[in-house]
Amino acid sequence: AQSVTQPDIHITVSEGASLELRCNYSYGATPYLFWYVQSPGQGLQLLLKYFSGDTLVQGIKGFEAEFKRSQSSFNLRKPSVHWSDAAEYFCAVVPTTSGTYKYIFGTGTRLKVLA
Amino acid sequence: EAQVTQNPRYLITVTGKKLTVTCSQNMNHEYMSWYRQDPGLGLRQIYYSMNVEVTDKGDVPEGYKVSRKEKRNFPLILESPSPNQTSLYFCASKRAPGQPQHFGDGTRLSIL
Repeated sequence: AQSVTQPDIHITVSEGASLELRCNYSYGATPYLFWYVQSPGQGLQLLLKYFSGDTLVQGIKGFEAEFKRSQSSFNLRKPSVHWSDAAEYFCAVVPTTSGTYKYIFGTGTRLKVLA
Repeated sequence: EAQVTQNPRYLITVTGKKLTVTCSQNMNHEYMSWYRQDPGLGLRQIYYSMNVEVTDKGDVPEGYKVSRKEKRNFPLILESPSPNQTSLYFCASKRAPGQPQHFGDGTRLSIL
């Protein structure tokens, strides 16, 4: 069965430090890939997406992600974290051969930023 | 402004008392979905709709109903709520299959 794994439930970084959030998926072909951020009391906001082409994708708020087919990964990165980045981050995969294009979400990574 | 609007944002109710959570989008999207979010489980799809009068079950449909009589609205109905339906619920819409979803701000339901 298709699945998405975000191995880190919680991550704490200092403001100004770099960040990498991991996402691995289980799927035979290359899916569509997304990262969303959820701030407290709000819905999910799209950070970036990958459909095809260049494997390094730029998103909003200074985030980027790299698709690595050999590792079935789509890790999210930011060079310098700001206090306002504290939130929960979700990776999502959309299998492209199922016909339903159903989203499969990871369980999320909660980011805490220390001043 | 493009948005997905859910109401109510918060609701505390009792077991067995029927409730409806409304969802409306102003982007003319054909595809709409309902999710529930529980700690450690991420988001799980309850129902989705591909167009007016076209709906299908997601991963956790038991205890829920939906309807899609107009393109912009996709209400979630709990006919006889139970405590295990206490959760944070999100409505989402998208323009086409595989496209990014737009999410509402969520509805926190507590069933006592």
